[in-house]
Amino acid sequence: ETGVTQSPTHLIKTRGQQVTLRCSSQSGHNTVSWYQQALGQGPQFIFQYYREEENGRGNFPPRFSGLQFPNYSSELNVNALELDDSALYLCASSSPGQGRSPLHFGNGTRLTVT
Amino acid sequence: DQQVKQNSPSLSVQEGRISILNCDYTNSMFDYFLWYKKYPAEGPTFLISISSIKDKNEDGRFTVFLNKSAKHLSLHIVPSQPGDSAVYFCAAPPTYGGATNKLIFGTGTLLAVQP
Repeated sequence: ETGVTQSPTHLIKTRGQQVTLRCSSQSGHNTVSWYQQALGQGPQFIFQYYREEENGRGNFPPRFSGLQFPNYSSELNVNALELDDSALYLCASSSPGQGRSPLHFGNGTRLTVT
Repeated sequence: DQQVKQNSPSLSVQEGRISILNCDYTNSMFDYFLWYKKYPAEGPTFLISISSIKDKNEDGRFTVFLNKSAKHLSLHIVPSQPGDSAVYFCAAPPTYGGATNKLIFGTGTLLAVQP
């Protein structure tokens, strides 16, 4: 059983640029959630994708967008990067049909915006 | 508004002793709580959970206690081991009966277990 994998592990971008982060969900999991973890904070929910559609969103502006593909993998896109976007971005997968099963997280992508 | 609070940023404990990590919440609609552990350069991993219909849940060395009237929960680790050194997050779904893929996390407590 393969776990959640994310790429790249680290990324440095300049303010105003755009970035795409990628995530492969754990085998058998059809729901993907994205979280942002700023330094010294807990993870914050960005949004969730189920059946290739956004299914719930946290308090993040529209320049944060995503995609889910038929194989359940997912992308997080951030446009017009700001310095405050520097954070660890975590992808997590789950299978809603299994009740309140816990999220399985990837190791994250560390984004630095300069 | 921080609905899940972990007021102790760090905790240091001797190996073999008990570690107690605390978490407070403000929303009385929360009905399910989870603890996650995070090592550096890794994603959070699920540790233990508790439903609001219970006041205790135990899994090996880990026990979570829930005090609904005080809106407080705690994670006890007995005995503590050096490999338990990590950041511990308390989390809850934001709505009653809510799915556990949309979670509100606390700010975490860094546990250091000294050999």
